Amino acid sequence: NAGVTQTPKFQVLKTGQSMTLQCAQDMNHEYMSWYRQDPGMGLRLIHYSVGAGITDQGEVPNGYNVSRSTTEDFPLRLLSAAPSQTSVYFCASSTGVRNTGELFFGEGSRLTVL
Amino acid sequence: GENVEQHPSTLSVQEGDSAVIKCTYSDSASNYFPWYKQELGKRPQLIIDIRSNVGEKKDQRIAVTLNKTAKHFSLHITETQPEDSAVYFCAAPTNFGNEKLTFGTGTRLTIIP
Repeated sequence: NAGVTQTPKFQVLKTGQSMTLQCAQDMNHEYMSWYRQDPGMGLRLIHYSVGAGITDQGEVPNGYNVSRSTTEDFPLRLLSAAPSQTSVYFCASSTGVRNTGELFFGEGSRLTVL
Repeated sequence: GENVEQHPSTLSVQEGDSAVIKCTYSDSASNYFPWYKQELGKRPQLIIDIRSNVGEKKDQRIAVTLNKTAKHFSLHITETQPEDSAVYFCAAPTNFGNEKLTFGTGTRLTIIP
């Protein structure tokens, strides 16, 4: 099993550019989420999905869009990149807290916005 | 939403000694409390979790204790080893639903040989 796969691993953008971070999981997990990790701030939830066609906002959703057209894929779109979005982004999937609750994270995507 | 506070932010212990990291949470309805370990440059990985129907859970050198009345839970690592050096995060579900986890700000644990 590949688990959770994120691409790209590294990306440099200019302010105002848009891009999509890809996330795919092959574990048939219902729940998928995107976190950003900044020094001293832990992992903050951006967006979340409980299944195909259903998404919800987390703590820091502004400037990001998501969609969930299939169980496997959960892309994160940056609409107009800003330097404040420089961060490491992690995608995660799970079977849900009512089951094991374990979040399986991707390897992360390091984004720099100039 | 859920507020999770984690202390200390950094911790150094001699190899072989014990390490304790504490977290407090605000939502009394929270019932699932995981701990994640993140090695340098790697993804976070679950090391242990506890549900609100028990007060303590152990897995070899790692244990987690939960005090629901005081709304805090702690990670205990005994007989620390160099490979325990990492950043540790606690988490708790938000009040929007148990599938949304709020993470603490992390503790950088350094084991001194």
